Amino acid sequence: NAGVTQTPKFRILKIGQSMTLQCTQDMNHNYMYWYRQDPGMGLKLIYYSVGAGITDKGEVPNGYNVSRSTTEDFPLRLELAAPSQTSVYFCASRTTSGAEWYEQYFGPGTRLTVT
Amino acid sequence: RKEVEQDPGPFNVPEGATVAFNCTYSNSASQSFFWYRQDCRKEPKLLMSVYSSGNEDGRFTAQLNRASQYISLLIRDSKLSDSATYLCVGVDSNYQLIWGAGTKLIIKP
Repeated sequence: NAGVTQTPKFRILKIGQSMTLQCTQDMNHNYMYWYRQDPGMGLKLIYYSVGAGITDKGEVPNGYNVSRSTTEDFPLRLELAAPSQTSVYFCASRTTSGAEWYEQYFGPGTRLTVT
Repeated sequence: RKEVEQDPGPFNVPEGATVAFNCTYSNSASQSFFWYRQDCRKEPKLLMSVYSSGNEDGRFTAQLNRASQYISLLIRDSKLSDSATYLCVGVDSNYQLIWGAGTKLIIKP
C-alpha cells in the first residue's frame, strides 16, 4: 500500500493564480481531511469528507474548495491565491471501524508559497 | 482559552535524560486524547493514545488528569532520535481532532 499520496510536493504561485492539490489514498478509508500548517503552529482543518459525495467545512475553509467523487481521491482547489495561503498542506485519511479508528494517516504534504 | 494548549519549547535535553511535557485542554476537546510526533518538515504520525488509566509504550508514558484537564508525555532514557515536535491532540464531540501547536524537543549528545 502506498498509503496517502499528495502532489505536488512544492509549488510557487503568483497572487491570483489557481491550482489543485491532489490527494489519493489506497486504504479504502471513508474519512479524508485537508489541513494547513503554518510555521510554528498546529494543524488547522480546512475541509473534510466522510465518504464519496459528502464534504463539509472545517475551521478555515475560506479561499478553498473540495470535491470527493471517489473514495480514493480528495482534491483541494485554491482559487485566486493570496499570500495568506502560503503554508504546508497535509491530506489525511482514517478508517471508521476497529480499535484504531482514531488514527489519521497523513500524506507527505505540499509546500505552497504564494508571492 | 485555546482548546488544546502546549508549551512550544524548545526543550533542550541531554541524551539519556528523562523529559516530560504537559498539554492542557478545554471541555470542547475532551472526548479522547492522543500524542502525535512530527519530524522536521514531515507529516505527523501517531505516537500513542492516552487512556484514563495511563498507558506505557516502551520508554514513553502518557497520563491523563481529567480533574486538572491536562495530559502528559514522559520520555525516559531519551535518544537522539527522539528529537521532534510532539503534538497533543484532543477530540471534540463530532470526533474531529483538535491539534495543539506542538512542543519541540531537542536531544543533545
